[in-house]
Amino acid sequence: AQKVTQAQTEISVVEKEDVTLDCVYETRDTTYYLFWYKQPPSGELVFLIRRNSFDEQNEISGRYSWNFQKSTSSFNFTITASQVVDSAVYFCALSEVQGAQKLVFGQGTRLTINP
Amino acid sequence: GAVVSQHPSRVICKSGTSVKIECRSLDFQATTMFWYRQFPKQSLMLMATSNEGSKATYEQGVEKDKFLINHASLTLSTLTVTSAHPEDSSFYICSARESSVSYEQYFGPGTRLTVT
Repeated sequence: AQKVTQAQTEISVVEKEDVTLDCVYETRDTTYYLFWYKQPPSGELVFLIRRNSFDEQNEISGRYSWNFQKSTSSFNFTITASQVVDSAVYFCALSEVQGAQKLVFGQGTRLTINP
Repeated sequence: GAVVSQHPSRVICKSGTSVKIECRSLDFQATTMFWYRQFPKQSLMLMATSNEGSKATYEQGVEKDKFLINHASLTLSTLTVTSAHPEDSSFYICSARESSVSYEQYFGPGTRLTVT
């Protein structure tokens, strides 16, 4: 069975600090997708990134970066120079590549950026 | 592009009544739609997967007679919560998967259901 663990329930940092959100996953599939979503207080999920399991290159998008390490089954997310607008709940998710491609979500990490 | 809408955004109903939530893909055709439930401060839990023109596939523990899902067209899926109880109060989110090239799931804004 697939499982995603986000051990950090809540994180609070001061604006401009860097912050890393951890994500560890379990799957028996050899190929799979990994995702990060942001859920602001409004509730709507905002897609941040999708990564194929065969692509272990790290990715950077502005202040966001992702570190995918297959050896440790981790897909961590770092926000550099955090801003108050980054405050939200962040979900890591995993899906199969074939079939229904159902998403399995982690428990989420509530990130609060204090001014 | 790839916009998914949900209606209503908020609904309050009395115990014992039924409420219907609509999920629409506005600018693409979705062969598959997913329904999730999210309790306060918890994660999203998949309730069911619906494919256009066929019966929905429910996740273990989800009562199919209570949560009726209809995916009658490539742009519309509905979730009807029948005989609602206060414990059904939750945030319901749908997502739609585009039928063409992309297998990306696009999420709706969610519907907050409160049963009194």
